[in-house]
Amino acid sequence: QKEVEQDPGPLSVPEGAIVSLNCTYSNSAFQYFMWYRQYSRKGPELLMYTYSSGNKEDGRFTAQVDKSSKYISLFIRDSQPSDSATYLCAIVNRDDKIIFGKGTRLHILP
Amino acid sequence: DTGVSQDPRHKITKRGQNVTFRCDPISEHNRLYWYRQTLGQGPEFLTYFQNEAQLEKSRLLSDRFSAERPKGSFSTLEIQRTEQGDSAMYLCASSVPAASYEQYFGPGTRLTVT
Repeated sequence: QKEVEQDPGPLSVPEGAIVSLNCTYSNSAFQYFMWYRQYSRKGPELLMYTYSSGNKEDGRFTAQVDKSSKYISLFIRDSQPSDSATYLCAIVNRDDKIIFGKGTRLHILP
Repeated sequence: DTGVSQDPRHKITKRGQNVTFRCDPISEHNRLYWYRQTLGQGPEFLTYFQNEAQLEKSRLLSDRFSAERPKGSFSTLEIQRTEQGDSAMYLCASSVPAASYEQYFGPGTRLTVT
């Protein structure tokens, strides 16, 4: 079983909609969960990280961790065309390595 | 700009040639990481340094790959005798040791082996 799994999409939503991006992870011992945004032909950009469980909000972005189901989510409110990118979830594993999901390609339709 | 920088941004080379990439991390970050990313995949860990010491190498890093960070500042990644399967985006990231979860990436070097 992979340490983190993510649906690659693509996911297309109309501008202004709420976007929900999700990943599952394998080990309940993982404590750090991150979301990166990657535009085409660019490096990943750290959006936000959470420690343990709960929610974290930053502007239009909310990251959520449900440790009971080993599920992590990123919500984007009032989505904009500029949010079109690939979103990568990631965890820090027991070897202190970042393991990335495959990324979900998101298209916001104007 | 005080972010992570990488050079070159693009490299096209013929199979069998050697290539070298450079990464300049954020100045106060003493951890530096190299990743490889292929189309449709997330970045995969290759190796990392703390200061000038190379602390870990992935089994993905074959003997043809070597990385250095001689003075604990910039790093180079060399691929010898390139193969078509080496075509990928090579990403560098940096962090402080206490926050390995908070890595900042450079723009990457896209390698194409023909």
